[in-house]
Amino acid sequence: GESVGLHLPTLSVQEGDNSIINCAYSNSASDYFIWYKQESGKGPQFIIDIRSNMDKRQGQRVTVLLNKTVKHLSLQIAATQPGDSAVYFCAESLRGYALNFGKGTSLLVTP
Amino acid sequence: GAGVSQSPSNKVTEKGKDVELRCDPISGHTALYWYRQSLGQGLEFLIYFQGNSAPDKSGLPSDRFSAERTGGSVSTLTIQRTQQEDSAVYLCASRPGQGNYGYTFGSGTRLTVV
Repeated sequence: GESVGLHLPTLSVQEGDNSIINCAYSNSASDYFIWYKQESGKGPQFIIDIRSNMDKRQGQRVTVLLNKTVKHLSLQIAATQPGDSAVYFCAESLRGYALNFGKGTSLLVTP
Repeated sequence: GAGVSQSPSNKVTEKGKDVELRCDPISGHTALYWYRQSLGQGLEFLIYFQGNSAPDKSGLPSDRFSAERTGGSVSTLTIQRTQQEDSAVYLCASRPGQGNYGYTFGSGTRLTVV
């Protein structure tokens, strides 16, 4: 069936470096994508989203890139900080239906 | 309220007992979702409510699971005859009815079945 998956289950970066978290999706009809950050004991926290009619969207220190040709989504975090340490999930949806989540990537920021 | 509120935050129950988990969505949000997150796993879709439409129950893992949404606002997820494999964090999310955006999650209920 259709699925969303992450290329790297864990990622360790040094403080101040840029981080890139990747995600592959298989439902070419998905029209909306979201990145969430989840800290231990908390619910997923919205980071940034992008619609299928866009290929790039920037927020504060974060950028999401969407490549529909290869069905790939990435999250870039600039100048990674210790507070960015968390599990990051990508999710896709179609026309407001339920979000389909991947298993997540654990980001560890070391000093 | 300002965010999605879930209660209780933690629930320990004995195997075979029934439990009810509550979700208060953001005021005015017509779409409401329940998800389950097992330890170290991603989020598994359970059920979706949209306005007055019949809910999409396609994600419920067994007939022991049910959910209702009263008055288009508060939702209750009920698990009957709980099993140890039901232990997980149950997350609720809501979004505005118009447009495909604005999903906001609560902090979840951690259910432990002993």
